[in-house]
Amino acid sequence: AQSVSQHNHHVILSEAASLELGCNYSYGGTVNLFWYVQYPGQHLQLLLKYFSGDPLVKGIKGFEAEFIKSKFSFNLRKPSVQWSDTAEYFCAVNAFSGYSTLTFGKGTMLLVSP
Amino acid sequence: GAGVSQSPSNKVTEKGKDVELRCDPISGHTALYWYRQSLGQGLEFLIYFQGNSAPDKSGLPSDRFSAERTGGSVSTLTIQRTQQEDSAVYLCASSLDAGAGGANVLTFGAGSRLTVL
Repeated sequence: AQSVSQHNHHVILSEAASLELGCNYSYGGTVNLFWYVQYPGQHLQLLLKYFSGDPLVKGIKGFEAEFIKSKFSFNLRKPSVQWSDTAEYFCAVNAFSGYSTLTFGKGTMLLVSP
Repeated sequence: GAGVSQSPSNKVTEKGKDVELRCDPISGHTALYWYRQSLGQGLEFLIYFQGNSAPDKSGLPSDRFSAERTGGSVSTLTIQRTQQEDSAVYLCASSLDAGAGGANVLTFGAGSRLTVL
């Protein structure tokens, strides 16, 4: 079974700072990888996804993530955060094997101060 | 519908009562998922449906939890004899298909917040 580990539970940054949220997964086979975001009072929404091809994927609002297969990692990055990026971020993995469910990490709460 | 609809949005109940939570997925989505979100625990998988079948019930915490889906559409999650530890936000999601090599994308509803007193 797959599992996902997010290294930081809480991150506090000032506006314009750079962001990197760590995500590691454990699964021996091919995977699909996702980052979801939950803004305060809103429902979970997809930020970006990796299925295949270029390991550097770009998502909405200037976010990107890089899949490094050798490190089993899928870290989320943004060069310059904004106050509106304050949210909880969830990394998730789906095994590329028949029917499979999405396994989530415990989430990272990002607080951006203006 | 345009999105995943869940009801009720908030439910407060007394310990020992039964509750039903409803999910109406996006039209045409054959796969439906239930997750539970608790503070500091992330999202915990409960069960998923492909059509009306539930291939994976492994996440249901106890036999007090059950779910059904009829007509390949609406699903109901039932919690019997609720306990305080059942308090959480119950999220429903749907996707076009649960297969296709796992290359499916989940769309989530707003959730049902359950508080057990």
